[in-house]
Amino acid sequence: AQRVTQPEKLLSVFKGAPVELKCNYSYSGSPELFWYVQYSRQRLQLLLRHISRESIKGFTADLNKGETSFHLKKPFAQEEDSAMYYCALSGRNTGNQFYFGTGTSLTVIP
Amino acid sequence: DTGVSQNPRHKITKRGQNVTFRCDPISEHNRLYWYRQTLGQGPEFLTYFQNEAQLEKSRLLSDRFSAERPKGSFSTLEIQRTEQGDSAMYLCASSKGTGVYEQYFGPGTRLTVT
Repeated sequence: AQRVTQPEKLLSVFKGAPVELKCNYSYSGSPELFWYVQYSRQRLQLLLRHISRESIKGFTADLNKGETSFHLKKPFAQEEDSAMYYCALSGRNTGNQFYFGTGTSLTVIP
Repeated sequence: DTGVSQNPRHKITKRGQNVTFRCDPISEHNRLYWYRQTLGQGPEFLTYFQNEAQLEKSRLLSDRFSAERPKGSFSTLEIQRTEQGDSAMYLCASSKGTGVYEQYFGPGTRLTVT
């Protein structure tokens, strides 16, 4: 069965420190992985997807099929990064449905 | 086009009443998704449409829930005989294409069943 696990509900880091938000998944086949972000009082929006291999707002995420992980990383956290982050999974085997993790609330301490 | 819109933004209803929510997707998007989100959880898939066809429906979705997208544009989600457990944020998202594409989310409708 398809599943996305975000083990940390809350994560606090100091400004300028590195940050890593963990995401593990289970999926049979070739998954499409995404990170969505929700800033305070705003709607969910796409941060990045693995196939684009882009760096958005300094964040990167690498799909590791061996470890079935898609961790989100940023070398130097900024206060404006404080938000709720959701990892999501989709693909042909899910009928193009999206499966979301439970989210990690990131707080960057000034 | 200012993005996906949802109405109403908030709805308070008494248990047993029926409620209907509306979603207007981005105009050129042919896919429309409905999700439910409860406190401390991520969005949970309910159903999705490609144009006017409802292609997938969650097995967890009660028969009290029904969705339509009659002309392939806006969509409605109806909950009949609401229960307190239906209290949640209902999110709509749209995307273009027939593969896996970025979904654009609406602001959500918060339902409270008293």
